[in-house]
Parts: sequence; C-alpha cells; structure tokens
Amino acid sequence: KAGVTQTPRYLIKTRGQQVTLSCSPISGHRSVSWYQQTPGQGLQFLFEYFSETQRNKGNFPGRFSGRQFSNSRSEMNVSTLELGDSALYLCASSTVLTGGNTGELFFGEGSRLTVL
Amino acid sequence: KQEVTQIPAALSVPEGENLVLNCSFTDSAIYNLQWFRQDPGKGLTSLLLIQSSQREQTSGRLNASLDKSSGRSTLYIAASQPGDSATYLCAVRSGYSTLTFGKGTMLLVSP
Repeated sequence: KAGVTQTPRYLIKTRGQQVTLSCSPISGHRSVSWYQQTPGQGLQFLFEYFSETQRNKGNFPGRFSGRQFSNSRSEMNVSTLELGDSALYLCASSTVLTGGNTGELFFGEGSRLTVL
Repeated sequence: KQEVTQIPAALSVPEGENLVLNCSFTDSAIYNLQWFRQDPGKGLTSLLLIQSSQREQTSGRLNASLDKSSGRSTLYIAASQPGDSATYLCAVRSGYSTLTFGKGTMLLVSP
C-alpha cells in the first residue's frame, strides 16, 4: 500500500515568488492536513481538508492557501514568499471516523522549501 | 488554547537501557494522542495512537500510556537500540482537526 506522497521534495524560490506543493494521500484516506516545521517554531498546523472542504485552519496569513480535489489529492500554495517561509512542509492523511473525528495520521516525507 | 510540553528536550543513553519520554498537555478534553518519531530531514512515522477512552497502547518494545485527568502521556521504550535514535514527538488532538505538537525529545542511543 503506497504511503503519502509529496512533491516536490526540495525547491528553492526567491522572495516575492509563489509556490505550489502537492500531496497524494494514502488510498482511501479522505482527510489531508498540512503542517509547517521550522527549527524555532516546531510543527504548526496549517489547515485540514476533508471531502474538498477546508475543515479547520491554523494561525497563518492569507498567503497560505490550499485545496483538495475529488480524488482527495491536495495542494497548498504560498504566495508572495518571504524569507521566513523557509521550512519543511509536511502533509498527513487519515481516515475520518464516525462522528467526524480524524483517525491516525500518516505523514509524507515533506517538501523542503528554501526562500532566498 | 492547548499547549503540549515534552520533557526532556534531549536524552542520551547507552544501548540496552529502558527509557521513558514524557508529554504533558494543558487541556484534558482531548480526542486522542499520537506518538511519532522523526529522523533528520524526514517526515514523521506514527508509533502509537491512544484514544481518549484508552489508558495505554503497546507495539513491540514501545508502550504508551495516557492519563487524561493529569494531562500526561508517557512513551516507554524497552531495551533501547541505536536504531531508536531519532526525535520523538507527541501530538494531542483536541477537536475535529485541531492537532497540537510538542517540540519533541531528541534521543541518542549509543552502541
């Protein structure tokens, strides 16, 4: 069974540019969530999507956005990149349990973004 | 707002030792708690998931306990091995999507 796949694995951008990251969840998982990991702040929740709808959003500016497609694949976009956006961006997929709660999370290897 | 603290921040032990990693959280109204390991530059690997109604979960040499009333979870690793060297993270789910991570415990097991 294939795991969570994130592309690209590494990318370098300059300030002001925008970037799109992709996440393919485990087959059958309909919930996809995104996290930003930096040495200073640790892992921070960005947003979660379920059935193409954003269920929750973390405390990030509007430059960070995402979407989910009908096949559960998800993309996140960061516009007008800043130096502080350099981070490892992790995607996780999970099932959604009866009652709406999210089950066990399975993470991808991440996309490492460097902003120069 | 949920806050998750992991102690110690770093731990170095010789191979073969049994060890305990700690995770504490401020809001006891949780749905579940999950332990992960992360190798340098890699994603997170799920180790154990404990639902709020459970007291512990076991997988191989790993045992995780949960005490909601005191806001604590522990991860016990038996007979540690050099391959266990990694950063261990706990994450607490307080709502449908709200997941809060601790900063992690960096473990080094020496041969």
